[in-house]
Amino acid sequence: KAGVTQTPRYLIKTRGQQVTLSCSPISGHRSVSWYQQTPGQGLQFLFEYFSETQRNKGNFPGRFSGRQFSNSRSEMNVSTLELGDSALYLCASSSSDSRGNTIYFGEGSWLTVV
Amino acid sequence: AQSVTQLDSQVPVFEEAPVELRCNYSSSVSVYLFWYVQYPNQGLQLLLKYLSGSTLVKGINGFEAEFNKSQTSFHLRKPSVHISDTAEYFCAVGITGGGNKLTFGTGTQLKVEL
Repeated sequence: KAGVTQTPRYLIKTRGQQVTLSCSPISGHRSVSWYQQTPGQGLQFLFEYFSETQRNKGNFPGRFSGRQFSNSRSEMNVSTLELGDSALYLCASSSSDSRGNTIYFGEGSWLTVV
Repeated sequence: AQSVTQLDSQVPVFEEAPVELRCNYSSSVSVYLFWYVQYPNQGLQLLLKYLSGSTLVKGINGFEAEFNKSQTSFHLRKPSVHISDTAEYFCAVGITGGGNKLTFGTGTQLKVEL
């Protein structure tokens, strides 16, 4: 069974540009979450989608957005990139949103903003 | 709101020695707890999780953790570490009704030395 797949793995963008990251969850999983990991702030929750609906949202500015498609694949978009957006973006999937459900993480997309 | 504190940012230990990585949490509602491991340039891998029931939880790679409600702790232990255990370890908490949103600690870098 394939794991959580994130593309691209590495990318470099310039300040002011926008970026779209993609996540394919484990087959059959309907929940997809996104996290930002930086040395200074650690792992921070961005948002969660379940069956194409945003269920939870973290404390990030509106420049960060996401969506989920009918096949459960998800994308997140960051507009007007800032240097501080340089981070590892992790996608996680789960079969449901039940209490304590096992959450599986992808290997992440490394974003560098220059 | 819930929070997680990992008291040690780095833990050096010799190979074959026991290790304990500490995690304390704070929450006003019922929680479930996870430990994840992150190897360099990789995503997060689940070591173990606690939902309810027995307070001693066994995970992969010989790790175990004990949930202590009175001390609001969920410390991770391994009786004998190996060089390959060198990695960063994250404690995370989720809450009932919180979907798959996890709040992570700042991580503990475990360095196993010969």
